Amino acid sequence: DAKTTQPPSMDCAEGRAANLPCNHSTISGNEYVYWYRQIHSQGPQYIIHGLKNNETNEMASLIITEDRKSSTLILPHATLRDTAVYYCIVNSGNTPLVFGKGTRLSVIA
Amino acid sequence: DGGITQSPKYLFRKEGQNVTLSCEQNLNHDAMYWYRQDPGQGLRLIYYSQIVNDFQKGDIAEGYSVSREKKESFPLTVTSAQKNPTAFYLCASSRTRDKAFFGQGTRLTVV
Repeated sequence: DAKTTQPPSMDCAEGRAANLPCNHSTISGNEYVYWYRQIHSQGPQYIIHGLKNNETNEMASLIITEDRKSSTLILPHATLRDTAVYYCIVNSGNTPLVFGKGTRLSVIA
Repeated sequence: DGGITQSPKYLFRKEGQNVTLSCEQNLNHDAMYWYRQDPGQGLRLIYYSQIVNDFQKGDIAEGYSVSREKKESFPLTVTSAQKNPTAFYLCASSRTRDKAFFGQGTRLTVV
């Protein structure tokens, strides 16, 4: 599976949009971009995934560049409960997920 | 209530003892996974199983063993051969080519 690069930490003001970037320049054509988050001392939670097109669900939006070499997870109105480590993972669906260190997002009141 | 359940939440083990962590799912998922997480680190894969009675080693399988006798269950045994077993253990399940669901984890401490 392709490797991803994320900033180690980010801050966001409560109520503002949180934009979390991810680089995956070696992504293959059959690989999806997945986002999970992990709140302290809990199991990771699935957020969203996409292949080529932008995706939106009740939790977030995923913007994938046209060349698919990078993506951005958008939390439109961040709350304190969104404070967590966010993992960007590239995976074909046929193999186990490989986790990096993710981005630690701190939402500040 | 559908989901994936890990037990116990906290577990203490004496050095030299084997201990088994439970993972059960009622989501009818074929694939199940065990990960280990150390403080400040991402998850590392220990073992995974894509079908009953079959499993494969992950990146850090030494000192661990698993079984997959039933679709719903994927227990992990931490043996005395695992030199540094204190960690947070996470179990997950998924359908093929679909998102994974994680349990709430078991925190194992060697005393």
